[in-house]
Amino acid sequence: GENVEQHPSTLSVQEGDSAVIKCTYSDSASNYFPWYKQELGKGPQLIIDIRSNVGEKKDQRIAVTLNKTAKHFSLHITETQPEDSAVYFCAASYNQAGTALIFGKGTTLSVSS
Amino acid sequence: DTGVSQNPRHKITKRGQNVTFRCDPISEHNRLYWYRQTLGQGPEFLTYFQNEAQLEKSRLLSDRFSAERPKGSFSTLEIQRTEQGDSAMYLCASSRFRTYPNTEAFFGQGTRLTVV
Repeated sequence: GENVEQHPSTLSVQEGDSAVIKCTYSDSASNYFPWYKQELGKGPQLIIDIRSNVGEKKDQRIAVTLNKTAKHFSLHITETQPEDSAVYFCAASYNQAGTALIFGKGTTLSVSS
Repeated sequence: DTGVSQNPRHKITKRGQNVTFRCDPISEHNRLYWYRQTLGQGPEFLTYFQNEAQLEKSRLLSDRFSAERPKGSFSTLEIQRTEQGDSAMYLCASSRFRTYPNTEAFFGQGTRLTVV
């Protein structure tokens, strides 16, 4: 069945360093790849997304890259800050309309000052 | 607009009881989704509505689960004869369908269900 693998499960960086989280997906028909940030006790918050017709997208300190051939996509956070500490989830659509997402298991990012 | 609103935030129930959760989507969002999230896992898709029509259901949605969205506004998720395995965070999300493919989904804070 459809599957999204996410690595690493935990990531600790110093403030100002970069953080990279990687995901692979199994369904070649997936065409929408959002990233969510979840803080304790809150719902997931969309931080960036990318569609299958684009290879890279950037929004200030956050960027996402997509390699459709290899079926993997990555989240890059530069100049990390303590408030970036949270659990990050990647997701991939598994129906044509993009209305159903399958999520990775999450990466707990800790940024120490 | 204050975003997706879910009530209650927390629910503790005894095994075998029925529970109902409510979700109010962002106004003018015509798509509404339910997900379930267990500790240490990512959200799992349960079902989604476009307006009042329930268009897709996951195999995770057993016959004890039912979701409705009357009039295409708020939605309710009911779980009958709750089991301890139903303990989880139930998340609602909404999006506004404009053109293919789908647009961004925004999540609520979730309802945490504990079945004792």
